[in-house]
Amino acid sequence: QVQLVQSGAEVKKPGASVKVSCKASGYTFTGYYMHWVRQAPGQGLEWMGRINPNSGGTNYAQKFQGRVTMTRDTSISTAYMELSRLRSDDTAVYYCARRVDDYVWGSYRQGLDYWGQGTLVTVSS
Amino acid sequence: EIVLTQSPGTLSLSPGERATLSCRASQSVSSSYLAWYQQKPGQAPRLLIYGASSRATGIPDRFSGSGSGTDFTLTISRLEPEDFAVYYCQQYGSSAYTFGQGTKLEIK
Repeated sequence: QVQLVQSGAEVKKPGASVKVSCKASGYTFTGYYMHWVRQAPGQGLEWMGRINPNSGGTNYAQKFQGRVTMTRDTSISTAYMELSRLRSDDTAVYYCARRVDDYVWGSYRQGLDYWGQGTLVTVSS
Repeated sequence: EIVLTQSPGTLSLSPGERATLSCRASQSVSSSYLAWYQQKPGQAPRLLIYGASSRATGIPDRFSGSGSGTDFTLTISRLEPEDFAVYYCQQYGSSAYTFGQGTKLEIK
């Protein structure tokens, strides 16, 4: 069965960096884009960016350009999200999510069908 | 960036009732790229609907999605106790994904 298992909670000081991992199993890692979404305490979902595990190509939300780096290691089916120059408002649960896309009756459709369990990143001095 | 506005912010209904949740986009969205998610406290979101109207694997048929252009709707035909949660719509356009702010469905 498909599983995305993320690394454990982190506590960081302002200005530091954090790197969260997401290990995939139960499917062909290079066959599906991986997205990263975060959720601040009591708030909604915020898209951060995506990586094509096959090519390594990335797209980042404008808000995070210059601060986020998404990478992958295909040999261990793991995606990574690194966020630098952390601020207190980066405190959030960070999720990885697999993108599914397919065709039915000639119509294309896309969504995030499997999610990791989330990684809490706390930024505090 | 396309902004998604969900309404109402909170919906109070009883089990067995019908729920209608709205998602309005600031500009036209391709139906292919409109999805709905359910999130319960302490859990990751779960994909309910993608391509605006297709149920994801394992999603009960009481959940349905509709709409096109700038107006999309998630309907839950008869609420079960486990359906009370927060619901988000999401879209992809102009190389970016955005989520609505969410609708909280609570027990009346």
